[in-house]
Amino acid sequence: GAVVSQHPSRVICKSGTSVKIECRSLDFQATTMFWYRQFPKKSLMLMATSNEGSKATYEQGVEKDKFLINHASLTLSTLTVTSAHPEDSSFYICSATLLGADRLTQYFGPGTRLTVL
Amino acid sequence: ELKVEQNPLFLSMQEGKNYTIYCNYSTTSDRLYWYRQDPGKSLESLFVLLSNGAVKQEGRLMASLDTKARLSTLHITAAVHDLSATYFCAVDGLGYGGSQGNLIFGKGTKLSVKP
Repeated sequence: GAVVSQHPSRVICKSGTSVKIECRSLDFQATTMFWYRQFPKKSLMLMATSNEGSKATYEQGVEKDKFLINHASLTLSTLTVTSAHPEDSSFYICSATLLGADRLTQYFGPGTRLTVL
Repeated sequence: ELKVEQNPLFLSMQEGKNYTIYCNYSTTSDRLYWYRQDPGKSLESLFVLLSNGAVKQEGRLMASLDTKARLSTLHITAAVHDLSATYFCAVDGLGYGGSQGNLIFGKGTKLSVKP
């Protein structure tokens, strides 16, 4: 089946630094990737939709200058958390869509746990 | 606004028992997804339900969809400890300002199966 990877899987950083998270579709091309965040014991909240070659679409309340998304190729999207603060600590999960013959299938990456000290 | 509500949010059950998790959504959608999440892990796809009356089964789990009632159920038969996890339903947000594949998740049901 289709595989989506994320790197790093876990990162700890100091407040004020920037962190880049990569999301790759390993064996398929994904025109659309999604970025979610999940707080402990909570559900997933969509942050932004990332389309290859165009600007990301951010959900209401998500600061686009803080969460920079780049979708440079059909297999790679990156999320950069700029000037991270402790409240940005969360589990970040990406997903990539695969267009099948009769349905849309979404594959989730393994997630990146960000801890900001 | 598209809302997805799950209940119960917490479920503690004994091995061997049956139970059902409910997922209600507020407006029409042509796709409903069920996912499993283990602690500290990402989402594992369980079922994709694409039409009214759809029923899918995998092992001890069976999911169904009633688009008229805007309701999906995840039924657990003869639960075993390995089923302990958090289960999420999600609805495709297409048509509500989102791209195709933009999923709106329920809050999740944390299932704990005890011996």
